[in-house]
Amino acid sequence: DAGVIQSPRHEVTEMGQEVTLRCKPISGHNSLFWYRQTMMRGLELLIYFNNNVPIDDSGMPEDRFSAKMPNASFSTLKIQPSEPRDSAVYFCASSPTGGYGYTFGSGTRLTVV
Amino acid sequence: EDQVTQSPEALRLQEGESSSLNCSYTVSGLRGLFWYRQDPGKGPEFLFTLYSAGEEKEKERLKATLTKKESFLHITAPKPEDSATYLCAVRWHGGSEKLVFGKGTKLTVNP
Repeated sequence: DAGVIQSPRHEVTEMGQEVTLRCKPISGHNSLFWYRQTMMRGLELLIYFNNNVPIDDSGMPEDRFSAKMPNASFSTLKIQPSEPRDSAVYFCASSPTGGYGYTFGSGTRLTVV
Repeated sequence: EDQVTQSPEALRLQEGESSSLNCSYTVSGLRGLFWYRQDPGKGPEFLFTLYSAGEEKEKERLKATLTKKESFLHITAPKPEDSATYLCAVRWHGGSEKLVFGKGTKLTVNP
């Protein structure tokens, strides 16, 4: 199993540009989570999906952030327009339903200049 | 108020010097307390899940324990390769499937 796959690994963009982060969960896992990690705030849950349906998006900071899961093997997190304060490492994680721990991807380091 | 608090923020040990990391939580109706290890530039890696007070789990030099309001990660005779940030997270009734993480303890083990 290749694990949770995220792309790109690094992204540097200018303020105001659109950024799209991608995630392929582990096959058979029906829950998918997007987290953001910063030194100040640690790991924060942005949104999670169950069976491709968004369940809790209360952590999405503002309307500039949106996430989709068009099918069981693919999800995107989009920031439009991006701002310097969005600079962070964004992680995708997946798990089977039922109280198990997550498997995290390697993350995308986003820098907005 | 943070739901999960980890202490200390950073810990420096000599190789072979045993110690413990603490994770305290305020949620009610715990459905699981999770320990993860994170190496620089990588995603968190799952270590243990504890479900009820009194439960213990072990893996190599690590042992995790759980009480009603906190968990400890005991590290016995650590080696330099145990250096990492250790994160704990909780899942609770009413929180559905999401995990809320503490800010972590950065452990450095010197040879």
